[in-house]
Amino acid sequence: DAGVIQSPRHEVTEMGQEVTLRCKPISGHDYLFWYRQTMMRGLELLIYFNNNVPIDDSGMPEDRFSAKMPNASFSTLKIQPSEPRDSAVYFCASSPGGDTQYFGPGTRLTVL
Amino acid sequence: SQQGEEDPQALSIQEGENATMNCSYKTSINNLQWYRQNSGRGLVHLILIRSNEREKHSGRLRVTLDTSKKSSSLLITASRAADTASYFCATDDSGGSNYKLTFGKGTLLTVNP
Repeated sequence: DAGVIQSPRHEVTEMGQEVTLRCKPISGHDYLFWYRQTMMRGLELLIYFNNNVPIDDSGMPEDRFSAKMPNASFSTLKIQPSEPRDSAVYFCASSPGGDTQYFGPGTRLTVL
Repeated sequence: SQQGEEDPQALSIQEGENATMNCSYKTSINNLQWYRQNSGRGLVHLILIRSNEREKHSGRLRVTLDTSKKSSSLLITASRAADTASYFCATDDSGGSNYKLTFGKGTLLTVNP
């Protein structure tokens, strides 16, 4: 298996622009997680899905952030409008329904 | 607030030495996991220990869990330069979802050749 796939790997954008991050989980995994990692706050869970349904979005920082999972093999995290404080590495992870999570390589987002 | 807190924040050792990292947490848990992150990469799962277990081994890794003290330790024996990475503990909340993990800020391990 190719593992969790994220795109793009790097994104540089200007403040106010819309940013869309993409994730393809491992086939057969029922759970999908979005995390954000910064030096100051460490690794934070933003939202997670079970069978394409959002279960807990309490970590989504504000209304500018939204996440969707239209099918079992694809999820997006969208930031609109983006701000410099959104600069971070965003990770997607999937899990087969157990406790272990498999992380993608991350998307490094820089908002100027 | 962080559920798990690793200690020390940074550790530098020589190849062949053992490395011990500690994790403390605040609430009751079902499981505690350790993950490794190489620079610029995603996290990789190392080992999971359940709340009713006290010790677990996997290759050169040994994990202990003391639920009375709400703490865990990760021991890496006979370290190698390739073990250089950040190590994170992650806990769930027994009062909530097993799948909602909270990560500490990690221990940066440097193994010098």
